[in-house]
Amino acid sequence: AQKVTQAQTEISVVEKEDVTLDCVYETRDTTYYLFWYKQPPSGELVFLIRRNSFDEQNEISGRYSWNFQKSTSSFNFTITASQVVDSAVYFCALSEAYNQGGKLIFGQGTELSVKP
Amino acid sequence: GAGVSQSPSNKVTEKGKDVELRCDPISGHTALYWYRQSLGQGLEFLIYFQGNSAPDKSGLPSDRFSAERTGGSVSTLTIQRTQQEDSAVYLCASSLWAGDLGELFFGEGSRLTVL
Repeated sequence: AQKVTQAQTEISVVEKEDVTLDCVYETRDTTYYLFWYKQPPSGELVFLIRRNSFDEQNEISGRYSWNFQKSTSSFNFTITASQVVDSAVYFCALSEAYNQGGKLIFGQGTELSVKP
Repeated sequence: GAGVSQSPSNKVTEKGKDVELRCDPISGHTALYWYRQSLGQGLEFLIYFQGNSAPDKSGLPSDRFSAERTGGSVSTLTIQRTQQEDSAVYLCASSLWAGDLGELFFGEGSRLTVL
């Protein structure tokens, strides 16, 4: 069965610190997609990244970077030089290609608090 | 509108009443999704539509829950005979089409409180 685990419920850092949010997934499918979404206090989930199971290259976008390792079924997210505006709940999610509908299985989320 | 619009933003109802939650997706998006977010269960998939069809209703928690979509646009999620455990934020999302497995655009949600 498919499952996404975000073991860190809450993380608190001071501005300018680097922080890594962990995500471990389970799936029996060989073709799947992994996502990260950000949920700021306004409540609206915002898409950050999608990765397919055949592309293990790490990705960097500004202060954000993602490390995908199939060997450990992990898709971790690092924020470099964190800022107060990064404070939000971050969700990792999995979609399996067979369902064709883009149905996402979400982790429980990690609440990140960045203090000035 | 520019984004996914949901109404009402907040709804307080009494146990046993029926409620309707509305979602207006981004214009041109053919796929529409309903999710539920609650403290105990996290983010749960409920149902998705491709056009007016609902290929996957597997997440609807009971037969008190139903959803429809007409004209390939607006969708309504209906909860009959509400129970306290239905209290949650109901999130709607849309995308260009379901098979794209791309970015979902979410609304701000409808917070339902059942007393």
